[in-house]
Amino acid sequence: SQQGEEDPQALSIQEGENATMNCSYKTSINNLQWYRQNSGRGLVHLILIRSNEREKHSGRLRVTLDTSKKSSSLLITASRAADTASYFCATDAENTGNQFYFGTGTSLTVIP
Amino acid sequence: GAVVSQHPSRVICKSGTSVKIECRSLDFQATTMFWYRQFPKQSLMLMATSNEGSKATYEQGVEKDKFLINHASLTLSTLTVTSAHPEDSSFYICSARGMGMSVQETQYFGPGTRLLVL
Repeated sequence: SQQGEEDPQALSIQEGENATMNCSYKTSINNLQWYRQNSGRGLVHLILIRSNEREKHSGRLRVTLDTSKKSSSLLITASRAADTASYFCATDAENTGNQFYFGTGTSLTVIP
Repeated sequence: GAVVSQHPSRVICKSGTSVKIECRSLDFQATTMFWYRQFPKQSLMLMATSNEGSKATYEQGVEKDKFLINHASLTLSTLTVTSAHPEDSSFYICSARGMGMSVQETQYFGPGTRLLVL
């Protein structure tokens, strides 16, 4: 399976704290993307980081990518209750017809 | 721009019947569409990749005779779950990549279809 892994599987924090999620993958990639999914709903695209980039910011989100370790992290700063959701990384692997392979996901709960 | 819709959003059917799910790109032409399945509290698993005008490519372990995929036009792909059984109950999500979009462009996801087989 080309599915990546994320840790932690579940994370519970107080509002205002930072949340960090990690993603590891198995193959060389073109890019890596992070998505958010509220319970039972579709996916919301958060951020894309290309294989030649090491860090990217978007609002309260910070993503890093280490291709040598085949890993990425998503940091959400100053979390809010509305950030409660599942977060998935997805890798767009080289030489695979550009399919996405999703990580196992991190379930984030932000306690007001 | 780049909106993808799915229909129906929710469907309940009896065991043994077939169910068709539509995925449409509303404001762009999708040369490639992808179908995913998501079981409760699990991640999305890629089922198949469909290119307009050609046969779908299925991931290992996905039965192509059970999950029929048709990508007959540049804006529509359909997934038919044939002879559905309760274990096929899941959340089915499609995504699309548009004509002319670079390989580094993201896929655009539909809102998903929840299938419940009784």
